[in-house]
Amino acid sequence: QVQLQESGPGLVKPSETLSLTCAVSHYSISSGYYWGWIRQPPGKGPEWIGSIYHSGSTYYNPSLKSRVTMSVDTSKNQLSLKLSSVTAADTAVYYCVRHVLANDDFDIWGQGTMVTVSS
Amino acid sequence: QSALTQPPSVSGSPGQSVTISCTGTSSDVGRYNRVSWYQQPPGTAPKLMIYEVNNRPSGVPDRFSGSKSGNTASLTISGLQAEDEADYYCNSYTSSTTWVFGGGTKLTVL
Repeated sequence: QVQLQESGPGLVKPSETLSLTCAVSHYSISSGYYWGWIRQPPGKGPEWIGSIYHSGSTYYNPSLKSRVTMSVDTSKNQLSLKLSSVTAADTAVYYCVRHVLANDDFDIWGQGTMVTVSS
Repeated sequence: QSALTQPPSVSGSPGQSVTISCTGTSSDVGRYNRVSWYQQPPGTAPKLMIYEVNNRPSGVPDRFSGSKSGNTASLTISGLQAEDEADYYCNSYTSSTTWVFGGGTKLTVL
């Protein structure tokens, strides 16, 4: 059973860069599928951040594109997210997901990690 | 991109049916049969319940069904059970090659 586990700092200062990692278990990310990040501010709906293929091909949310960098490390079977110049509006639970482009759905989700932006 | 529009809340008694709507535009819901639905009980991650408008992943009860008409997609839950109480979110692929979620609907089982 494929499992996703997010990790990273729970507190980030305004104007700094948020960095998260997602470890993928029981499936090699080199075998296929896109992998992505989705965030959910407290009490609000989810927001798609972006998706990446093991080749490095990416899709980003235009509203975040200028601040987002996603990467994959096939040797560690993990993906990473960097979001620069964060503000309080970036406070959210960040989820790592498997993105099935053939169906345009997100079929597997990590448990999520809460990131708070505050000084 | 604007979020898809969902009613904030719906409710129903055990055994009844409820329908949750999800309204988009001709650039997303209306253009593509690429609508998915997610269930999120409190404190948990969302779970895929419906994909491509009306397909259920393995393990999802057939009490859950989806449909679409024009720019509006719908999720219907029949034979409502207490365990169905959760937040529900729709998602659609868009013509900008992005994916947009709805604001969510809280389902209360009375």
